[in-house]
Amino acid sequence: QVHLQESGPGLVQPSETLSLICTVSGGSFSGYFWSWIRQSPGRGLEWLGNIDYSGGGTNYNPSLESRVTISVDTSKSQFYLTLTSVTAADTAVYYCARSFERGLFDSWGQGTLVSVSS
Amino acid sequence: DIVMTQSPLSLPVTPGEPASISCRSSQSLLHNNGYNYVDWYLQKPGQSPQLLIYMGSHRASGVPDRFSGGGSGTDFTLKISRVEAEDVGVYYCMQPLQTPWTFGQGTTVDIK
Repeated sequence: QVHLQESGPGLVQPSETLSLICTVSGGSFSGYFWSWIRQSPGRGLEWLGNIDYSGGGTNYNPSLESRVTISVDTSKSQFYLTLTSVTAADTAVYYCARSFERGLFDSWGQGTLVSVSS
Repeated sequence: DIVMTQSPLSLPVTPGEPASISCRSSQSLLHNNGYNYVDWYLQKPGQSPQLLIYMGSHRASGVPDRFSGGGSGTDFTLKISRVEAEDVGVYYCMQPLQTPWTFGQGTTVDIK
């Protein structure tokens, strides 16, 4: 049974960079797509983007403009989220999740709350 | 972006009775391969979302057969044949046909 676990700081200063790690255990890293999704009261569930297992392809939500980067380290079975120039609007619970090429999120992390505040 | 609109947003249910949630997309989710690309998720209180239905009508592994998904094009429905107390939570539809993948606003199901 695959297990996903998010990790990273729970508090980020405005205008700084939010960085999260998702560690995947108990299952294959290959053959899947790996996403970041966030949830806040004002925006509901928002898909931020994904990366394929080889790291060769990424898709991002245009609403985040050029602030978001997703990368992968298959040797560590980890993938990463970087979100630059954060504001209070980026305060949310951030989830990592596994999917196939077109959706079907069959495994989710427990989520990690990130607050943007000085 | 494809907008996903759910109704109702709140659904009080009686255990043992059926329930139905509607999801409408702003563009057709029917791929030229014949599949409709809509997923349904349930987020139970304090938990991460969990997959119920994928590609419109396919139940995910371990999902009870009281859950069923249907529809095509822009109109989709999630049905629960007989609601159980453990089914309470927020239900979301999501489209993975076109990036950015987008979710509905969610439908909160609770017991009357």
